[in-house]
Amino acid sequence: AQSVTQLGSHVSVSEGALVLLRCNYSSSVPPYLFWYVQYPNQGLQLLLKYTSAATLVKGINGFEAEFKKSETSFHLTKPSAHMSDAAEYFCAVSNTGRRALTFGSGTRLQVQP
Amino acid sequence: GAGVSQSPSNKVTEKGKDVELRCDPISGHTALYWYRQSLGQGLEFLIYFQGNSAPDKSGLPSDRFSAERTGGSVSTLTIQRTQQEDSAVYLCASSLGLAGGYNEQFFGPGTRLTVL
Repeated sequence: AQSVTQLGSHVSVSEGALVLLRCNYSSSVPPYLFWYVQYPNQGLQLLLKYTSAATLVKGINGFEAEFKKSETSFHLTKPSAHMSDAAEYFCAVSNTGRRALTFGSGTRLQVQP
Repeated sequence: GAGVSQSPSNKVTEKGKDVELRCDPISGHTALYWYRQSLGQGLEFLIYFQGNSAPDKSGLPSDRFSAERTGGSVSTLTIQRTQQEDSAVYLCASSLGLAGGYNEQFFGPGTRLTVL
């Protein structure tokens, strides 16, 4: 079985501030972990993925995430928020035995000028 | 190249009617997934096709939901006797489906279903 918990359904930051979106997972086997972004009225876009290589993963638009097995976490960060980062972010998990993605409930990021 | 396409983009139907939603995966992708995004339930898996294997239907919420994948390509998700709680965005994704390791899923734009 696998599950994902995203703490904070809404996060608001100021432009230029650090972005931290939290994700904790549960998986009985080594997981694959993903962050997707969804802009208003658009589809899901893959930001970054962890697939058992380097634990610090860099993605598009300056985002990165670190896989911490001991904490079962995969938090998403960006050093400096841009207005264009305002969107909904989803953490997801899968594994070799269950290819379908299990998503967290999402975090809506608001960036204040 | 072309991405995953879905049709229609929007569908409004009356309660009790049947609807069919279509997904055209990326050419050469053997794996195809249906997900549903709704206000109450978030993003949830519905069904997964991999090549000629029996589909994984473990996410289908009721027997009113069914899906086919003809010729290993196009898929149709059918919802019979629609209910208002079926209102959601239905997303399709496809991947290479290679054995072992990770295969990135590419998502279509979705079909927004509204049941009146």
